[in-house]
Order: sequence, then C-alpha cells, then structure tokens
Amino acid sequence: AQSVTQPDIHITVSEGASLELRCNYSYGATPYLFWYVQSPGQGLQLLLKYFSGDTLVQGIKGFEAEFKRSQSSFNLRKPSVHWSDAAEYFCAVKLVRGSTLGRLYFGRGTQLTVWP
Amino acid sequence: TAGITQAPTSQILAAGRSMTLRCTQDMRHNAMYWYRQDLGLGLRLIHYSNTAGTTGKGEVPDGYSVSRANTDDFPLTLASAVPSQTSVYFCASGGERGDTDTQYFGPGTRLTVL
Repeated sequence: AQSVTQPDIHITVSEGASLELRCNYSYGATPYLFWYVQSPGQGLQLLLKYFSGDTLVQGIKGFEAEFKRSQSSFNLRKPSVHWSDAAEYFCAVKLVRGSTLGRLYFGRGTQLTVWP
Repeated sequence: TAGITQAPTSQILAAGRSMTLRCTQDMRHNAMYWYRQDLGLGLRLIHYSNTAGTTGKGEVPDGYSVSRANTDDFPLTLASAVPSQTSVYFCASGGERGDTDTQYFGPGTRLTVL
C-alpha cells in the first residue's frame, strides 16, 4: 500500500540542539515532497518542498530537507532549534506532477517539544 | 492578503443537525480541497474540486457534500452530523500559475458533534 511514514510521534529536544525529523514514503515513482508545520490552534504552513533538481532544499525558518531516492526518504533538519519551533510537523507527498488532480498524502505527524 | 478564510472558527453541533463549513480563497486558485484532521491520523482528504463547477470524492467522503459554484468558495456540508465527524476541518487551495502542486491551508474549523 502506498503510504507516508513519520516514525517518530513525539520528539523532545533542548533549545539550541540540532533536529532531524524523519519521513519515508512508499511509492513506485518519486513524488513531489512537502513539509508543513502546524503551530497549536493554527493551520498548516508550508516549510519547504522538493520537486526536482538539487536534493537538498532550503525552507523558511532555517529548515532544510534532503531527498534520498535510495532510501525513499525526505528528512527535515534544523541545525539549532528555537523554542518557537515547538509545533507539529507533517510530511506530505503528491503523486501526480504538474496537475491539480493529485491529492496530498500526509504522514501522521511528529510533535516537537523544545526544552528551554 | 487574506489567503484562505474559514468560518466558523469552532462550533458545537447536536447530532442529527446539519451544518455548512465555509471556505473562501482570494488567490484565484483553480483547485480547492477539504481535509479533516484527527489525532494520530494526520490529514485525510474529504472532497476536492479541480475547478469551478467540478467536484470529486477523496479518501473519507461519506456524510459530507461539497459544491463549487465559483472559483473563490468551496463550502462543505454535513447533512446530518454524527459524533464521528468531530474533528478539525481544513480547507486548502492550490494551482497557482507556475506551481500547480503546492497547496495552501486555511486556519481550520474545530467541530464538535455531541
């Protein structure tokens, strides 16, 4: 079955520490890949996306993600976490490129807690 | 810019009652989507519309209906609410010229069905 997996339900890090959130997908072809962030009581905000080209993509708020085709992964990273990064993070994929017909498939989310 | 607005922000609804969740976008996106978010399940697609006048079913369409009379509005209707429809509902849009694949989300509507 096609799926998006975020293996970590909850991660806790200290402020200033580095962060890596994992995302794996199981599809035949390389999909379009997205990371969204959801702060408490808010909607989803796009952090970054990968469509093609350089496999290391930069996003907003100092986040980056690396696409690894061999591992079917698209892990999100940040070198130094700030307390304001505490939120829930969702990985999503879209299977149909260049068309609005494709829906987004979401992982179940990773809740990030940041200790001061 | 407003982006996507949703109304109401939250609602408590008695089981069996009907309700329409409103969604309006001002980005002139062709495509619009309704998702529901449940704890531990991420977001699941309820219905979508690729362009005004067309709609389609997503992953969990039962108990919901939508219409797309124009580009900007995409209301979601619960004809007879049940407690399992308690959820947070997000409207999204996408289909910008030059980037048809990115979706942008509204702030959500928290619905409780008792």
